[in-house]
Amino acid sequence: ETGVTQSPTHLIKTRGQQVTLRCSSQSGHNTVSWYQQALGQGPQFIFQYYREEENGRGNFPPRFSGLQFPNYSSELNVNALELDDSALYLCASSSFLAGLGGEQYFGPGTRLTVT
Amino acid sequence: DAKTTQPPSMDCAEGRAANLPCNHSTISGNEYVYWYRQIHSQGPQYIIHGLKNNETNEMASLIITEDRKSSTLILPHATLRDTAVYYCIVRVHSGGGADGLTFGKGTHLIIQP
Repeated sequence: ETGVTQSPTHLIKTRGQQVTLRCSSQSGHNTVSWYQQALGQGPQFIFQYYREEENGRGNFPPRFSGLQFPNYSSELNVNALELDDSALYLCASSSFLAGLGGEQYFGPGTRLTVT
Repeated sequence: DAKTTQPPSMDCAEGRAANLPCNHSTISGNEYVYWYRQIHSQGPQYIIHGLKNNETNEMASLIITEDRKSSTLILPHATLRDTAVYYCIVRVHSGGGADGLTFGKGTHLIIQP
């Protein structure tokens, strides 16, 4: 186990609603990245947070937003949910320098279903 | 980041060495090779990474060819718990903003009893 925790484990929402997913990073890590993994695909990078600011972003629209807190935990918020947002959402933590490389430690994910 | 090519699936007998290939023929001099695996319904797990020298840790060995155009991840004594999708990722160590890991489809390794 990596020490990265995510909540909730599973979630069902209706199209148009908003959702907040949470992540607690591994002890000693100050950087959090979020990924979306559709069924049968590899994870896709959403964004990364460092020092409570967005430090990099993948090809996702602005309705995907996030926060990082002083204790390095993080939230992913998705507004105006669409059916295609149904996926496994993964959080990964790292130290800043290791994360700029590629050594990241993933949580178990939150399975979001949008109906 | 350079593109990688991996076989979609492989089988290996339990107790034998599993050798997973990855082709990265367009890799540039400052790009590292990373390996992750994802066991069903879990988050990806970091395994190992290297630049040009062979690397070994408690999980696996990474063999990178001299021209760096391909690499092999070796699980020396595969167990049923090693059944997973294995991802080979090539990336530069960024000095600026982060761009995240780029996962392809990976290799689905099935360990047979």
